[in-house]
Amino acid sequence: EVQLVQSGAEVKKPGESLKISCKGSGYSFSTYWIGWVRQMPGKGLEWMGIIYPGDSDTRYRPSFQGQVTISADTSISTAYLQWSSLKASDTAMYYCARHYGGYMIDYWGQGTLVTVSS
Amino acid sequence: NFMLTQPHSLSESPGKTVTISCTRSSGSIASNYVQWYQQRPGSSPTTVIYEDKQRPSGVPDRFSGSIDSSSNSASLTISGLKTEDEADYYCQSYDDSNPWVFGGGTKLTVL
Repeated sequence: EVQLVQSGAEVKKPGESLKISCKGSGYSFSTYWIGWVRQMPGKGLEWMGIIYPGDSDTRYRPSFQGQVTISADTSISTAYLQWSSLKASDTAMYYCARHYGGYMIDYWGQGTLVTVSS
Repeated sequence: NFMLTQPHSLSESPGKTVTISCTRSSGSIASNYVQWYQQRPGSSPTTVIYEDKQRPSGVPDRFSGSIDSSSNSASLTISGLKTEDEADYYCQSYDDSNPWVFGGGTKLTVL
């Protein structure tokens, strides 16, 4: 069974750094793109970026380029999303998701709620 | 780049049929597959339609998808509405630069 299991909720202060994770199981982690989706409170879904763990090829949506870093560790089948300096506007639910067929998402993680508040 | 526009909200009664539209701003709706995701409150999205009109196993046949080139839009139709269908619905497509282009989402109320 394919599963994407994300790390738990985080509460941080503005300016702090953060790295959240997404562990894949039940499939060949290296051979599927994994992406991150932001959902701000009461808002819709936004694609942030995507990585191919097999060779670490990473693409970012322009509005997120330079704001976050996506990485992956194939030895532990885990993808990461990190911030070097959080802002209050980063408060959101973040989902990892598996990219299938080059055009859709077939599996989603359960989401990681990030709250940034002074 | 293109955008996908959905109605912000819809409401309908149990047992009725509702159709959610998703209009592509530029480029042909038929040139890239459209998917639909259902997101119930407090849950991750799940796929209800993929490749314009295909249903994943486990999704009831009350859910159907279609595309209309004349209006450059995709539609998700839910028949025999149930209270459990109350959720947010997102259409999604893609292009060479953007693997996931989401519509703004439609809040469906079944009352």
